[in-house]
Amino acid sequence: AQKVTQAQTEISVVEKEDVTLDCVYETRDTTYYLFWYKQPPSGELVFLIRRNSFDEQNEISGRYSWNFQKSTSSFNFTITASQVVDSAVYFCALSERVYNQGGKLIFGQGTELSVKP
Amino acid sequence: DGGITQSPKYLFRKEGQNVTLSCEQNLNHDAMYWYRQDPGQGLRLIYYSQIVNDFQKGDIAEGYSVSREKKESFPLTVTSAQKNPTAFYLCASSIASGSYEQYFGPGTRLTVT
Repeated sequence: AQKVTQAQTEISVVEKEDVTLDCVYETRDTTYYLFWYKQPPSGELVFLIRRNSFDEQNEISGRYSWNFQKSTSSFNFTITASQVVDSAVYFCALSERVYNQGGKLIFGQGTELSVKP
Repeated sequence: DGGITQSPKYLFRKEGQNVTLSCEQNLNHDAMYWYRQDPGQGLRLIYYSQIVNDFQKGDIAEGYSVSREKKESFPLTVTSAQKNPTAFYLCASSIASGSYEQYFGPGTRLTVT
């Protein structure tokens, strides 16, 4: 069965610290996609990244970076030099590529990040 | 501006009443989704629609109903059969079903007393 585990329920850091959010997934499929979303206090989920299972290159976007390791079934997210505006709940999600069926995303429980000034 | 709108942001109902949550998108996306979020939890899929006039049950469809008569619209009805309807409801859409990223609306917080 597909599953996404975000073991860190809450993380609190001081501004300018680096922080890594962990995501571990389980799937039987060889083709799948992984996502990260940010949910600020307003409630709307904001899409951050989508990565397919064949692309293990790390990705960097500004202060955000993602480390995908198939060998450990992990897709971790690092925020460098955190800022107060990074405070939010972050969700990792998994989708299998299943033809002719809906693209169901399986979400982890989320990690609440609090960045203090 | 392209996006997804959900209305209203806050909704209050008495137990035993059906209530319909609105979701509209102008992104020209084929697929639309409804999720439920409870405090401190991830999102759970209620219903999804791959194309107009078609929809499938998600993981927690009991007590809910949907329709997809227009590409832009995917309203969700929370019926009186839903045992614990108080929750945050999020609508999303994607360009097609499959493994494309989903874009979310601002959500509707429903409180039933």
